[in-house]
Amino acid sequence: DTEVTQTPKHLVMGMTNKKSLKCEQHMGHRAMYWYKQKAKKPPELMFVYSYEKLSINESVPSRFSPECPNSSLLNLHLHALQPEDSALYLCASSQQGGLTYNEQFFGPGTRLTVL
Amino acid sequence: DAKTTQPPSMDCAEGRAANLPCNHSTISGNEYVYWYRQIHSQGPQYIIHGLKNNETNEMASLIITEDRKSSTLILPHATLRDTAVYYCIVRSFGQNFVFGPGTRLSVLP
Repeated sequence: DTEVTQTPKHLVMGMTNKKSLKCEQHMGHRAMYWYKQKAKKPPELMFVYSYEKLSINESVPSRFSPECPNSSLLNLHLHALQPEDSALYLCASSQQGGLTYNEQFFGPGTRLTVL
Repeated sequence: DAKTTQPPSMDCAEGRAANLPCNHSTISGNEYVYWYRQIHSQGPQYIIHGLKNNETNEMASLIITEDRKSSTLILPHATLRDTAVYYCIVRSFGQNFVFGPGTRLSVLP
């Protein structure tokens, strides 16, 4: 299995809702990442998990809360989002933590719309 | 900030080679050059990476100049499915990937 899966593909939520994005990989990778991508812009790094521990938080607002329950799963919990948080949320994984030259493998993304 | 400069867009005829340039004039000795592409509404896809030697795989070739200040990604026989945004990224040990605006390649029939 050489892919990163993300669910759901699309999500529409109100500003008072709580929802979660899920990412899964079965490649034995030990680093996992969340990126945010606004329309017609490049992906921007949000969080990095290395060996199931949060190693990087790129000053992301607390309404985004990541969780790594095990080495194959990565969640992004969403609460009290704003319309400007509407974007494509991408998950990626790499063989080891960030301290390598390993390439990252990306999932297809979850397209989030906040009303 | 991204350490690379790429043209915002390029066209290529189907079946011809697509040559995508990237300028990375401030690259340091331990930084690799990576190429990713993103087809519309999909996640980025890894293509190739290299340090100073030219590299080739089943998808593309990467040509890095001797002074390492620029590189070219070559898709030898472009197809319509190669239409995408191509990102050139410079990265060293311990750094995360920083995506710039990339080049929007349109392969035309």
